[in-house]
Amino acid sequence: DTGVSQDPRHKITKRGQNVTFRCDPISEHNRLYWYRQTLGQGPEFLTYFQNEAQLEKSRLLSDRFSAERPKGSFSTLEIQRTEQGDSAMYLCASSTGTLDYEQYFGPGTRLTVT
Amino acid sequence: AQKVTQAQTEISVVEKEDVTLDCVYETRDTTYYLFWYKQPPSGELVFLIRRNSFDEQNEISGRYSWNFQKSTSSFNFTITASQVVDSAVYFCALSEERNAGNMLTFGGGTRLMVKP
Repeated sequence: DTGVSQDPRHKITKRGQNVTFRCDPISEHNRLYWYRQTLGQGPEFLTYFQNEAQLEKSRLLSDRFSAERPKGSFSTLEIQRTEQGDSAMYLCASSTGTLDYEQYFGPGTRLTVT
Repeated sequence: AQKVTQAQTEISVVEKEDVTLDCVYETRDTTYYLFWYKQPPSGELVFLIRRNSFDEQNEISGRYSWNFQKSTSSFNFTITASQVVDSAVYFCALSEERNAGNMLTFGGGTRLMVKP
């Protein structure tokens, strides 16, 4: 399978705990994106990487959120001290990085904070 | 600021009917890209089409067709002879060239239900 993969697919955690999600992009794609999707809404941009550099972060990305892409391949998104409002689907996408492109999405990680 | 509006939150049709999903966008850029994605019940967003702002030609792909009109800032999507498998949430999205990384701004989505 050469698509975008995400792990885990589902995560249930208690408020206050830390969680980490992983995304593996399509191998030749140098851009990687994180989005968040709440129930009944469209995805909202969180952050993106060009290779290992994090080049843009949304205001949605509070100080409790941190993302890394250490070797320009896979990426992790960590949420510290989770809150119930963090419950959402976290989507990862990748693209080739050229202007004339499309983003390919993974299956997402559904986070439930109890 | 860029914005995408999908005024139809939910549409229900009977199989074989034609259906059009509306998308209206706002942008100050002259160079931008428009997209449609499908999100079936499984949850994974599936890319359907990309159109850049300089290409106003309509496109047809099988039962799918797209009508891009810059004059009305619309990029509508029509499914001809709908099938039950078309049932999904459809998202229209916009990317401006000025945005580093070309992040996507999505509309709220239209849930399409095709009944047998």
